[in-house]
Amino acid sequence: TQLLEQSPQFLSIQEGENLTVYCNSSSVFSSLQWYRQEPGEGPVLLVTVVTGGEVKKLKRLTFQFGDARKDSSLHITAAQTGDTGLYLCAGDLGNEKLTFGTGTRLTIIP
Amino acid sequence: NAGVTQTPKFQVLKTGQSMTLQCAQDMNHEYMSWYRQDPGMGLRLIHYSVGAGITDQGEVPNGYNVSRSTTEDFPLRLLSAAPSQTSVYFCASGDRGQSYGYTFGSGTRLTVV
Repeated sequence: TQLLEQSPQFLSIQEGENLTVYCNSSSVFSSLQWYRQEPGEGPVLLVTVVTGGEVKKLKRLTFQFGDARKDSSLHITAAQTGDTGLYLCAGDLGNEKLTFGTGTRLTIIP
Repeated sequence: NAGVTQTPKFQVLKTGQSMTLQCAQDMNHEYMSWYRQDPGMGLRLIHYSVGAGITDQGEVPNGYNVSRSTTEDFPLRLLSAAPSQTSVYFCASGDRGQSYGYTFGSGTRLTVV
């Protein structure tokens, strides 16, 4: 049983379109992180959200932590080919163990 | 460059062989961990350490040993390699509490034949 479910698993859209990726759980997290991973490399941290309802923006990327701290979303505006990659959410249950979702593989078509 | 360094990048082992995957960080992070990444399963925690001399098991610890004699180094040992341990292994480090996120190494791709 996967603690963190990400959807969709795969997403392929045209450059310039908007998209949203979801990360859901039945558990409450003390914080949640989003990473992007490119082929042959390790994940790179994009953002950490800590407070329920928190919204953080990183250029065209908007991250939201659910009010109950059980879910999160990543919204990308006007996608670019450089956004292509594997997006991973990871939750901290407060027990020093970070749990990862299975990821969303995003492809932006030029 | 500051960061997490993993060696080797690629390794092929025969079933039953042992080896050590090396991980070093130069950011003075207290927390270090090892993950394996398999297709369709995301990253799964193998072992972690909250400081020198302290280690604990993660989700999939069987077949792996770790030690943390210094803040900088956190090697992962495969005692007797099995084909099921074919995977990509990532080491990560961070500050305690995880609110600041982790820095990952670039991975070791291990194939056990």
